[in-house]
Amino acid sequence: ELKVEQNPLFLSMQEGKNYTIYCNYSTTSDRLYWYRQDPGKSLESLFVLLSNGAVKQEGRLMASLDTKARLSTLHITAAVHDLSATYFCAVDWGGSEKLVFGKGTKLTVNP
Amino acid sequence: DAGITQSPRYKITETGRQVTLMCHQTWSHSYMFWYRQDLGHGLRLIYYSAAADITDKGEVPDGYVVSRSKTENFPLTLESATRSQTSVYFCASSEGAVCFFGQGTRLTVV
Repeated sequence: ELKVEQNPLFLSMQEGKNYTIYCNYSTTSDRLYWYRQDPGKSLESLFVLLSNGAVKQEGRLMASLDTKARLSTLHITAAVHDLSATYFCAVDWGGSEKLVFGKGTKLTVNP
Repeated sequence: DAGITQSPRYKITETGRQVTLMCHQTWSHSYMFWYRQDLGHGLRLIYYSAAADITDKGEVPDGYVVSRSKTENFPLTLESATRSQTSVYFCASSEGAVCFFGQGTRLTVV
């Protein structure tokens, strides 16, 4: 059974600061997704990481994947209020395109 | 409209009633999924479909039924709704490494 753990589950940070969200998963997978969800909204795809060592960046967010350690990170640089949302990582379940999600990290960026 | 659409967006139903949530996608993606989102659980897979007429159970299938007679549609039916099925339901479709989600249906069972 594939398990996906995110930490922290809640993150309150100040504007301008840096922080990292971690996503660990229990079995081998070569495909990892990061999504953003605003309150009452759907999930918006941020990154798809397809291989070991993959790194992708978009604005103040950078995601990386280490398949050997079964770890992905989402790094936030110089946070701004607009980044406040819940961030989910999800792992492809055995190449089947089924996704197993972490419980999400609720990020609040304070002025 | 292009994309993936769910209907209704909001639904209140009574315990024991049958209710069907609709999902339609315009991309002709092979894979379609139903997830439920609950506080403290993230998103959990209910059922998925790899193609028309091919469906399989996910993590939490009990009390739900799906069908997929056409590639673009993937309805989810709660045969006899229970309060524990109060949730937000998301439909998704994917092809390759791209997975898109619908806007969600907020279902309340009273």
